[in-house]
This record gives sequence, structure tokens and C-alpha cells, in this order.
Amino acid sequence: LAKTTQPISMDSYEGQEVNITCSHNNIATNDYITWYQQFPSQGPRFIIQGYKTKVTNEVASLFIPADRKSSTLSLPRVSLSDTAVYYCLVGDMNTGFQKLVFGTGTRLLVSP
Amino acid sequence: DVKVTQSSRYLVKRTGEKVFLECVQDMDHENMFWYRQDPGLGLRLIYFSYDVKMKEKGDIPEGYSVSREKKERFSLILESASTNQTSMYLCASCSAPPYEQYFGPGTRLTVT
Repeated sequence: LAKTTQPISMDSYEGQEVNITCSHNNIATNDYITWYQQFPSQGPRFIIQGYKTKVTNEVASLFIPADRKSSTLSLPRVSLSDTAVYYCLVGDMNTGFQKLVFGTGTRLLVSP
Repeated sequence: DVKVTQSSRYLVKRTGEKVFLECVQDMDHENMFWYRQDPGLGLRLIYFSYDVKMKEKGDIPEGYSVSREKKERFSLILESASTNQTSMYLCASCSAPPYEQYFGPGTRLTVT
């Protein structure tokens, strides 16, 4: 599976939009991009998944450029409860789960 | 509400002991996973299972084994615990695409 690189940490304030970028230079043709959120003392939780262009749900948006070598998770108007670690996962799980790698994640701190 | 439960939240074992970590899911998912999570290393896949009695190695299977005798239950076994297996262990399950993984709350294992 493609190795991913994310910023270690980010800071923001309540009400701001937060964009977290994940770099995945060797993404394969059939790979999907998935983001998870993890609060302290909990397991990760699925946020969003996409293949190309833009995907939006009630929680976030995912922007993927044409070359797919990176992706950006966008959280609109964050609140204190969005403080968490965000993981980017890239892979084609239709062909198996070997070497599933979540990476080190981005620790987002939202302040008042 | 979907649920993945793990047998213990905290566990303390001695070096050389045999350790069983159990995971149960109530979503009738085919796929189940065991990860370990360490500071600075993110989540790393230990083993996964496609179906009952099926198992596949993940990225770091050394020192671990697994058992899946029933669809809803996936056990992680440390045959002879060592201090370097002190970690947070997370179980997850998922079904068909988009292979959204549901995680349990985790077991924090300390081996002394």
C-alpha cells in the first residue's frame, strides 16, 4: 500500500476551517483514500473516503487533485470536539488488507 | 448501533506469560483485524481474517498468533509476552466496500 506523509500536528481556533493534507506520491491506480478520526482512549472512526476530485459528507470534505499524489481533508468551522488525531489511509482493499498502514496521523488541537 | 467490544481495557502481564486478547463484533462482518498502536508509529496491522478459520499476516505478525473459530470473535494471542509488546491493541471489523472499519475501544497491555 502507498506510504503516506502527514503533518505531525496542527492548531486551529473554533469556527475556522481546517485543511489537513496527506501526501501519497506512489498511490496506485486502484487505491482509494480514506480518512479516520481518533479521540483519546477510543479507536479510530471512519470519516470519509474518495477516489478522485471531491467528496463531501455531513462531517467533512475530501479534495483529491487530478494526479492523486495528495489529498486534503477539510473540516468546516471546527469546534473544540474536533480535537483529535486524523489518519490518512491509502490502498485498494478490494485486493486485500496486507500491509495496511495508517501512518502516524495529524494531531489537531482546536482552541477557544 | 454497531459495536466492537474488547475483553479488557487495561491488562498487566508478566514476561513469559501467555496472553489472550478477545474481540467480538455484532455486525456480521466478514473481515476482522488486530492492530497495535504505539506513540510516533501510528497503527500497525498485526493480523487479519477474511472469514472463520482464515487468517493472514499483517505488517508485524512476529510474536503473535490469532484464532477465529466463530465469525463474530477474533482472538489475539501472545504466546510468551515480552516487554516490547507493551502497547495499545485495537481490534476492528469491516464488511463490503468501502471497507469502513469499526474499531473497538482498545486494550492497553503492559508487560512487566
